[in-house]
Amino acid sequence: GNSVTQMEGPVTLSEEAFLTINCTYTATGYPSLFWYVQYPGEGLQLLLKATKADDKGSNKGFEATYRKETTSFHLEKGSVQVSDSAVYFCALIPFSGGYNKLIFGAGTRLAVHP
Amino acid sequence: DAGVIQSPRHEVTEMGQEVTLRCKPISGHDYLFWYRQTMMRGLELLIYFNNNVPIDDSGMPEDRFSAKMPNASFSTLKIQPSEPRDSAVYFCASREGNTGELFFGEGSRLTVL
Repeated sequence: GNSVTQMEGPVTLSEEAFLTINCTYTATGYPSLFWYVQYPGEGLQLLLKATKADDKGSNKGFEATYRKETTSFHLEKGSVQVSDSAVYFCALIPFSGGYNKLIFGAGTRLAVHP
Repeated sequence: DAGVIQSPRHEVTEMGQEVTLRCKPISGHDYLFWYRQTMMRGLELLIYFNNNVPIDDSGMPEDRFSAKMPNASFSTLKIQPSEPRDSAVYFCASREGNTGELFFGEGSRLTVL
């Protein structure tokens, strides 16, 4: 089946530290991969995406590279800010050709301290 | 542009009461999803629609839950009767096409006493 596994949180960092949140997936075919972010009290919003192998998605200083050989899509940022504190969700859409629903990981909470 | 609009934002009710949550998707979006978020179970997909037709309701917890989409601009999620374990944040989301970006509403926080 299709699934997404994320590293457990919370991840606690100091401002300007380097961030990595691991995400691996299991899927048939060639899924599209996404990172969504949920700020406190809000709904999820798309952070970045990649639709084929070796694509790199990037936005707001965050990056993730679609690695088919390791079935991974790790999220990275070189220097985090307090405003990056949120819950981050890795997700995939399996490219099965039918109706496709977004499959989310469990989410990883990030807390950045000044 | 208006995003996905949900109402009410907060609902507090007593066990046994009927609860109706409402959602207006983004105009032109042909998929609509209902999710539930709790600390224990994370984000769960309850049901989704394509062109107003329910496609997959396997995530609906039990018969107390029902969802409708009478037209392209409106959907409801109803819980009758409600129970304390239904307390959660319920999100509606919509997207255009099969693989487009999913846009979420701000959620409806339900507390059942």
